[in-house]
Amino acid sequence: GESVGLHLPTLSVQEGDNSIINCAYSNSASDYFIWYKQESGKGPQFIIDIRSNMDKRQGQRVTVLLNKTVKHLSLQIAATQPGDSAVYFCAETANFGNEKLTFGTGTRLTIIP
Amino acid sequence: DTGVSQNPRHKITKRGQNVTFRCDPISEHNRLYWYRQTLGQGPEFLTYFQNEAQLEKSRLLSDRFSAERPKGSFSTLEIQRTEQGDSAMYLCASSFLSGIQFFGPGTRLTVL
Repeated sequence: GESVGLHLPTLSVQEGDNSIINCAYSNSASDYFIWYKQESGKGPQFIIDIRSNMDKRQGQRVTVLLNKTVKHLSLQIAATQPGDSAVYFCAETANFGNEKLTFGTGTRLTIIP
Repeated sequence: DTGVSQNPRHKITKRGQNVTFRCDPISEHNRLYWYRQTLGQGPEFLTYFQNEAQLEKSRLLSDRFSAERPKGSFSTLEIQRTEQGDSAMYLCASSFLSGIQFFGPGTRLTVL
């Protein structure tokens, strides 16, 4: 079936550097994408979302890039901080009615002090 | 705290027992979702409600699983005759119509 996957399971970044987390999706009908952050023992926390009619969206220290041609999504985190250490998931839905999110496996980001 | 709440946070049970989890969504949210997450994996969709109506169920939701949202507010997820394979984190999320899904802290189930 359709799936959302991630290129790298783990990523270590020096504090203060920028990090990029990548995600590939296979459903060409996907039209809404979300990045979530999950800290140990907690539920996923919304970070940023993007619709398929956009290719870039910026938030506070985060930017999401969408390349529909190659079905690729990335999350850029600027000036990383220790609190950014977590597992990051991309999720997608093929219906902006947003009934069912399909999540990837996740990337564990570790910020090195 | 006005976020999504879930109870209990942890549940340990013996195989064959029934368990029930509760989710209280954000108050103005009319949609409520249940997901299951196993270690090292992303959440998997189980079911969702709009108000009190259960509109979609995943094939992951076997006949041992039942979810209700009787008054369109809180929801319960019951698992009957638990199996070791049911051990997972059960996550609840809520949204206002097709808005962003906000997740609760989850209930971690361990079946011995």
